[in-house]
Amino acid sequence: QSALTQPASVSGSPGQSITISCTGTSNDVGAYNYVSWYQQHPGKAPKLIIYGVSKRPSGVSNRFSGSKSGNTASLTISGLQAEDEANYYCSSYRTSSTLDIFGGGTKLTVL
Amino acid sequence: QLQLQESGPGLVKPSETLSLICNVSGGSISSSDYYWGWIRQPPGKGLQWIGSMYFSGTTYYTPSLKSRVTISVDTSKTQLSLKLSSVTAADTAVYYCARVGLRYFDISSWGQGTLITVSS
Repeated sequence: QSALTQPASVSGSPGQSITISCTGTSNDVGAYNYVSWYQQHPGKAPKLIIYGVSKRPSGVSNRFSGSKSGNTASLTISGLQAEDEANYYCSSYRTSSTLDIFGGGTKLTVL
Repeated sequence: QLQLQESGPGLVKPSETLSLICNVSGGSISSSDYYWGWIRQPPGKGLQWIGSMYFSGTTYYTPSLKSRVTISVDTSKTQLSLKLSSVTAADTAVYYCARVGLRYFDISSWGQGTLITVSS
């Protein structure tokens, strides 16, 4: 199964906003509002930060937001903080597949 | 609060079978609102689904691993298990158990992960 496409890395300065894209196809991202985003710090398990394209789990900062346009989903982090430095993965349900599909991951560096 | 805890051997020899257990506490393993799965992450790489199991007992496996994988649930012990046969160095990874919501297919609960190294 081909992974969803994410940029390998993005960077930003504290206080700035960054956006991470996640490009799929009309069989996954474009077909359903079942896109999730996960944050993973080194040596830790991933943590759900966005589900259903734009919903935030309880306890997740409102600096994290999600959106979708066509076959591309996006994660925006506003007011960057040092603690946001991590790897971010998108995931989507896919037609005719019994398992969700992950993106390759994006390393966020806070300068 | 739901907690997932993986346990395993740490080191497995090539060609042997890897067996992992995920203990589930603080929630029902039989809920029809969720399904359970195993995900792995090779060192320095991204996340890869291994397979999943629904409350009905139906299992799904990623095609590249299907011939070597078995996932099962023991509801009496509230445990999820993974068996991966004929392992090679390429199976070296951190293995996570996870609970997936059926409404949005989101993984709201993850285990802490267990590193499995395949080496002689």
